[in-house]
Amino acid sequence: AQSVTQLDSQVPVFEEAPVELRCNYSSSVSVYLFWYVQYPNQGLQLLLKYLSGSTLVKGINGFEAEFNKSQTSFHLRKPSVHISDTAEYFCAVMRVTGGGNKLTFGTGTQLKVEL
Amino acid sequence: GAGVSQSPRYKVAKRGQDVALRCDPISGHVSLFWYQQALGQGPEFLTYFQNEAQLDKSGLPSDRFFAERPEGSVSTLKIQRTQQEDSAVYLCASTQGLGNQPQHFGDGTRLSIL
Repeated sequence: AQSVTQLDSQVPVFEEAPVELRCNYSSSVSVYLFWYVQYPNQGLQLLLKYLSGSTLVKGINGFEAEFNKSQTSFHLRKPSVHISDTAEYFCAVMRVTGGGNKLTFGTGTQLKVEL
Repeated sequence: GAGVSQSPRYKVAKRGQDVALRCDPISGHVSLFWYQQALGQGPEFLTYFQNEAQLDKSGLPSDRFFAERPEGSVSTLKIQRTQQEDSAVYLCASTQGLGNQPQHFGDGTRLSIL
């Protein structure tokens, strides 16, 4: 089975400051990795994904993440946040084979950007 | 439609009542997923369809939960004899094909059981 740990339930940050949201995963098989964002009363929107190749992936809204296989991590970063980035962020994994393409999510990190 | 559509957006039911939640996936999308998101938690997988075939229902919490997709497009998640612990947001997602394609999510149905 797979599991995802997001250690920080809340991350406050000032506008224009950098931010890192941490994600660690556990799996006995190869996985794909995803970050989703959820605004209040909305569904999830894909920010970025790692399938293979370069371990640094860039997504929408200026976010990027780096896959580190040895540390089983996929931390999300943004060099300068905006008020509009305030939302819940979820890290997720999907088995490469045999998992039926279902996603396993972490518990989420609430990013609160302050003026 | 342009995106995944779910209805109703909000549903309040008394304990013991049956409810039905609807999902309209993006037109032509083969795969459809249901997730349950409890308050303050990440979504948890319930079930998965490929066209009309339900290939995985391992996440359904009990036999009170039933999902169908009879014509391979619209899907309905039914919960019988609802309990308070069923209160959650139910999310539907679809993908165009198979494999690692990103899942497109609807805005969910917020179910409250009184």
